[in-house]
Amino acid sequence: DIVMTQSPDSLAVSLGERATINCKSSQSVSYNSNNKNYLAWYQQKPGQPPKLLIYWASIRESGVPDRFSGSGSGTNFTLTINSLQAEDVAVYYCQQYYSSPGFTFGPGTKVDI
Amino acid sequence: QVQLVESGGGLVKPGGSLRLSCAASGFTFSDHYMTWIRQTPGKGLEWVSYISRSSTTIYYADSVRGRFTISRDNAKNSLYLQMNSLRVDDTAVYFCARRGHYGGYDLFDLWGQGTLVTVSS
Repeated sequence: DIVMTQSPDSLAVSLGERATINCKSSQSVSYNSNNKNYLAWYQQKPGQPPKLLIYWASIRESGVPDRFSGSGSGTNFTLTINSLQAEDVAVYYCQQYYSSPGFTFGPGTKVDI
Repeated sequence: QVQLVESGGGLVKPGGSLRLSCAASGFTFSDHYMTWIRQTPGKGLEWVSYISRSSTTIYYADSVRGRFTISRDNAKNSLYLQMNSLRVDDTAVYFCARRGHYGGYDLFDLWGQGTLVTVSS
């Protein structure tokens, strides 16, 4: 299995400031042949299921605010939340879908104000 | 309203059985692969099983293979998970989720609220 790790475990950011979350995979989740990164980000608010935010490492899902952005390739990826809003308080998970079946999630990063 | 609603969770003793259901509405259920994903505080999010549109392709995680059975009824817009020989470490919130139209990749754009399964003596 591809093991995903995230850092930090949690972080507190002031309203309007930037939050940066890192995700690392135990092996590359990028295909050179199509230059794609098989990495997604999900947001889970308290009492709710996860919500897909970003896929192909940097493509925002429809309706996701542009303060959310993703970057990275290979084994190292980043989710950035610019100008943090109160409604962004949540746990954020990365997910690799390079391995199918057998997609795996990171352990999550909790973002607080 | 586009939604997935799980049911069937509860408290069961080790070795027991439980059947989870997931009712889909607001979209063409038969157009989508479907999956069960579970969540625990310790192991986080873990995929359990998924099933293709016409049930011809089914996969299980190693941790549940031989004990769990996924199925679907497209006429009833429903997904199921039959769980047998339950163990304490199967305790989790079980989500059903829809695989979206992203070119056949495992990206899940619609999730139910989850149903809690507790395995304890």
